[in-house]
Amino acid sequence: GAGVSQSPSNKVTEKGKDVELRCDPISGHTALYWYRQSLGQGLEFLIYFQGNSAPDKSGLPSDRFSAERTGGSVSTLTIQRTQQEDSAVYLCASSSTGPRETQYFGPGTRLLVL
Amino acid sequence: SQQGEEDPQALSIQEGENATMNCSYKTSINNLQWYRQNSGRGLVHLILIRSNEREKHSGRLRVTLDTSKKSSSLLITASRAADTASYFCATDNRGKGAQKLVFGQGTRLTINP
Repeated sequence: GAGVSQSPSNKVTEKGKDVELRCDPISGHTALYWYRQSLGQGLEFLIYFQGNSAPDKSGLPSDRFSAERTGGSVSTLTIQRTQQEDSAVYLCASSSTGPRETQYFGPGTRLLVL
Repeated sequence: SQQGEEDPQALSIQEGENATMNCSYKTSINNLQWYRQNSGRGLVHLILIRSNEREKHSGRLRVTLDTSKKSSSLLITASRAADTASYFCATDNRGKGAQKLVFGQGTRLTINP
């Protein structure tokens, strides 16, 4: 597609359940990022994938959070045993080469943990 | 604290006026970017200014960068209601191992008709 897509758009889950969020980056972009944005706040970096290199996981808030990027394209962010504080908008972005270039954002997944 | 910090946190002006938002950062950078976000969803890239540039224009947008003061400003001229959004600056760090942009908390801009 022409832009970054994310699914689902909205997700409501119960505390303790696992959720998977999906990101389809722009075709050909080697860099992919996940961010979290709580209500009215800035973006919190979670994880960064660059080509076949080991991902930068330094922003993941706990071991309940993990992400994969299969075949250098689609990425899945998994949150295990969700907590209410995980409620936020999860944004995915991609760029052609790396973080010094323009990042193109998807529309985000709004997660609500009850 | 955030690498990029926007000021003010919120700004409300009348349509047609100019809006100025500022961003300060702490470390040396390769470039600084400004993004806009409508309704808490995806961000849209506005402009990128490199560390060796001092000013850049794009349509009604004017960005300045002062690396000696570690600050940048975004000016929107002749504002329109459609400019209502949150605006974020993002910086990357100069040097090895810089792997991510760091976003500020944003300035919430409201344009009143």
